This record gives sequence, structure tokens and C-alpha cells, in this order.
Amino acid sequence: EPEVTQTPSHQVTQMGQEVILRCVPISNHLYFYWYRQILGQKVEFLVSFYNNEISEKSEIFDDQFSVERPDGSNFTLKIRSTKLEDSAMYFCASSESQGGREQYFGPGTRLTVT
Amino acid sequence: GQNIDQPTEMTATEGAIVQINCTYQTSGFNGLFWYQQHAGEAPTFLSYNVLDGLEEKGRFSSFLSRSKGYSYLLLKELQMKDSASYLCAVRGGSYIPTFGRGTSLIVHP
Repeated sequence: EPEVTQTPSHQVTQMGQEVILRCVPISNHLYFYWYRQILGQKVEFLVSFYNNEISEKSEIFDDQFSVERPDGSNFTLKIRSTKLEDSAMYFCASSESQGGREQYFGPGTRLTVT
Repeated sequence: GQNIDQPTEMTATEGAIVQINCTYQTSGFNGLFWYQQHAGEAPTFLSYNVLDGLEEKGRFSSFLSRSKGYSYLLLKELQMKDSASYLCAVRGGSYIPTFGRGTSLIVHP
């Protein structure tokens, strides 16, 4: 069964450093998403991406964040200058269509900022 | 804005039935989802309701009343592996789901 994959599974970085989180969505999916979940809190939407551009973004997704689809398979989230409060689980998801029933989530990357 | 409420924690006995409620206030409505999330793992899709009524899928059923802003997830024949967090998520006017804080279900023998 096709699945969304994410690398790395765990990333530790120092405050102020740049990090890139990587995702490979399901191959025939057209819509891609990033969510985050701070430990013990709810899942929060960050950004959606379609046709090589951002379609929606939340207030969390400020200038420190960017997304890119550098090739035909990868979808990346970059945080330019990490802060302690960026420590969270970051989930990538993909779906066939915007109004689709289901978004398939990847296993997540645990980001720890020290 | 969107507001989603669900109980923080519930406990139930193996083999029993449990109902997890979710109420919501949203600007527009494009569907309600239930996800299961085990600790440290990603959410996995359980159900989707966009019309009023009950959707049944094996041991899991989900109900929606749009006029009341209310949904529930019904889990039958509970198993120990059903111990997890259950997330209610609503798509409002956009196609992006807003998640509730989740209900932690503890199933005991």
C-alpha cells in the first residue's frame, strides 16, 4: 500500500539554525500539507501546496517557514532560524484532491530545538 | 474562527461500546473527520461525514448532525489496541481541517 514517508524521524538542532524536513508524498497525489503537533497539544495546520505554489497557510507559517517541491517526488519544509518553540512533531500529508475524504499522514519528524 | 470541543479523556472496558462526542462551531462546513492517533505516531483516518446521519465501518461508526454542530464516534467490541487518542477534525469554509484537542481513550481489561 502506498504511503507518505518522512525523513529524518528525529532532528535535533540548536536555536538559530536552519532545518529542512523532507517528505515524499504518495506518487499520484496532487495536494500536500504540513502540520505540526507540539507535545501534548492538538494537531495544527501549517500550509497546503498545490501546483507548485502555496494554496493556504496559517498564522503559524510566518516568514521563517518555506516549502518547496524541488523535484518530482520530494516536498520540503524549511525553518530558517529555529526557535525553542518550534520543537514539535511535524507531519506531512498528501491527498488526491482538495476536497478528498482523506489526507494520508506520514510518520512525522520529531524536531527538538535546544 | 472555528471551535471544536471533545472530552479530554474517557475510559472503557474491553468488549464494551464507547461513544466519543464532538461539538463544533465553524464558518462554513465541508466535512468532519475522525482520526485515531497512538502516542508518538501519526493520525490515521477513521471516518468522514459530510451529510447528516450514520456512517458504519466495521467496529467503528460515526454520526453527524450539521444543524446541531455535533458528531460522535462509536466504537464497538472494544479491544486493548483501541487505547489511543481520537481526534475530531472539521473542514470549515476552506478545505483545511481544524483539529480538536483529542479524546484519550483508555481501554482496560
